[in-house]
Amino acid sequence: DAGITQSPRHKVTETGTPVTLRCHQTENHRYMYWYRQDPGHGLRLIHYSYGVKDTDKGEVSDGYSVSRSKTEDFLLTLESATSSQTSVYFCAISGTGNGNTIYFGEGSWLTVV
Amino acid sequence: AQRVTQPEKLLSVFKGAPVELKCNYSYSGSPELFWYVQYSRQRLQLLLRHISRESIKGFTADLNKGETSFHLKKPFAQEEDSAMYYCALSVAGNMLTFGGGTRLMVKP
Repeated sequence: DAGITQSPRHKVTETGTPVTLRCHQTENHRYMYWYRQDPGHGLRLIHYSYGVKDTDKGEVSDGYSVSRSKTEDFLLTLESATSSQTSVYFCAISGTGNGNTIYFGEGSWLTVV
Repeated sequence: AQRVTQPEKLLSVFKGAPVELKCNYSYSGSPELFWYVQYSRQRLQLLLRHISRESIKGFTADLNKGETSFHLKKPFAQEEDSAMYYCALSVAGNMLTFGGGTRLMVKP
């Protein structure tokens, strides 16, 4: 398995509170992604990064922000959590020398009550 | 924009029966297609990609550009194949667009 660690793995938070999910990689891969997984929707891209301090929006970026100050860390922040953000969040990474294979972390289960 | 459609949310078969998980895509260019598998509450794992043309765990998939399809097939299903299967497409080299997924249940 690719060296991807997500934290926290499980979290319950209240509506309106800020939440930060962390993705840490040990592969020195250039690209990092945040997806959310919801029944019937598969996985949808929230934000991605193509280098330190280089990020861009994905398909469902509203209500989320990201930061990447180091190659190994990619943070996803919900500034003010809403119930619609209850989901499973997956971090993923990919390099440029492996045929663009994307590897996924184990997921973070977030419940907003 | 590209789109991936998996028309079946659930596919239930008996052990030993053939399996076909359907995947259709919309994109005018030449995409790269993938199948990912997710076993219960685990991370997604790459099952296969069309450019490698290999068979993993007995599964194969052929890209049909005329029908814009990339169906996943296995001649004899096993109970351990029960999982969520996602078809995905990449056009920018490093981002994936996923279908909604199909849950495969293999009954004994």
